[in-house]
Amino acid sequence: DVKVTQSSRYLVKRTGEKVFLECVQDMDHENMFWYRQDPGLGLRLIYFSYDVKMKEKGDIPEGYSVSREKKERFSLILESASTNQTSMYLCASSRTGGGGNTIYFGEGSWLTVV
Amino acid sequence: AQKVTQAQTEISVVEKEDVTLDCVYETRDTTYYLFWYKQPPSGELVFLIRRNSFDEQNEISGRYSWNFQKSTSSFNFTITASQVVDSAVYFCALSEWTTDSWGKFQFGAGTQVVVTP
Repeated sequence: DVKVTQSSRYLVKRTGEKVFLECVQDMDHENMFWYRQDPGLGLRLIYFSYDVKMKEKGDIPEGYSVSREKKERFSLILESASTNQTSMYLCASSRTGGGGNTIYFGEGSWLTVV
Repeated sequence: AQKVTQAQTEISVVEKEDVTLDCVYETRDTTYYLFWYKQPPSGELVFLIRRNSFDEQNEISGRYSWNFQKSTSSFNFTITASQVVDSAVYFCALSEWTTDSWGKFQFGAGTQVVVTP
């Protein structure tokens, strides 16, 4: 079975803190994604990576950065957390290709910024 | 532009009733893929089905069935004889076959299904 593991399920951080969300996948997938989920807005893509050290902006990259130093690991970084970044964050992975490959998700990380 | 529309925000049913979730998509590609995911309260999105644009056969898996109609750009999902464990948010998603898509998905806003005993 594909396994995408997000290191933290629940976090509470203060405004201005630097926040790291870590994600590891065990299926040797080339693609990795970070999504944000908010009520009524569905899933919105923050960043994705199609290879080690490669990254592309998604639909809402502002206030976020990412790091992919190893194929299995993709980190989302909030440089200076703000209250409007309180949300659920979902990491996902898939095999490479022009589309059509199933995306597999982790369990999600609930972040509260106070 | 919204590429995947799930017009139903929430559907409430009593156990054993059937429930149909609508999904309408928009694409100019001739090759594309459609997906359904289930998100129970625990949070993880669970993959349910993948369908490519060249395969319009309906599919049944246990109590789940899917109706794909290219003529109306719809990919609807029916749960037959619903159970309390079916309570979840269900997402429809579209993946277009383009060289620069990198496998990105367009998700609908999701439909919350509430099944009461």
